[in-house]
Amino acid sequence: DIQMTQSPSTLSASVGDRVTITCRASQSINSWLAWYQQKPGKAPNLLIYKASSLESGVPSRFSGSGSGTEFTLTISSLQPDDFATYYCQQYNSYCNFGQGTKVQIK
Amino acid sequence: QVQLVQSGAEVKKPGSSVRVSCKASGGTFSSYAISWVRQAPGQGLEWMGGIIPIFGTPNYAQKFQGRVTITADKSTSTAYMEVSSLRSEDTAVYYCARGKITQGPFDFWGQGALVTVSS
Repeated sequence: DIQMTQSPSTLSASVGDRVTITCRASQSINSWLAWYQQKPGKAPNLLIYKASSLESGVPSRFSGSGSGTEFTLTISSLQPDDFATYYCQQYNSYCNFGQGTKVQIK
Repeated sequence: QVQLVQSGAEVKKPGSSVRVSCKASGGTFSSYAISWVRQAPGQGLEWMGGIIPIFGTPNYAQKFQGRVTITADKSTSTAYMEVSSLRSEDTAVYYCARGKITQGPFDFWGQGALVTVSS
């Protein structure tokens, strides 16, 4: 099983901040990584797939990078709607999610 | 627009089974994968398995092999996920989600179905 580890678990930030979340895989997953945003009581929403491809309709302030075992999700200028929990997901071998990163108001 | 509409909340006794349905509309049901992801209260996301209806053979996360059954009915564009031998740890919101393959990524999600296992 491929383990996915996100850091930090919680992040406090202000509107306008640049935010970076890291996801590490226990073995190489090439670029088979996705990022999701989830708000309380709602289903996750796909933001990024194949490590750096922006899903249709997702604001361009979201970007992803990385390959192999280390990946990042960056929000260039945090907006009020972005306070949520973010998950990475590998789909190189079966499917595993990271434990989540909660982005909260500072 | 693709929509996945799931069945409603269920309360079950330990040791029983539950079946959750996921009806798709607005897209080509058979050629996409429908997967199931669960989320225990206050916890993260856990992939259970999935199926591509046109092929019909499901695949499962090792943890759920033998206790979870995923099926799909092409005639009604509906996928099903059944969990047997329920225990309290199975209390969770169960989501169906669409992808090009069963492992994801998942571009459309159902609204979730809360399954509560309690004596």
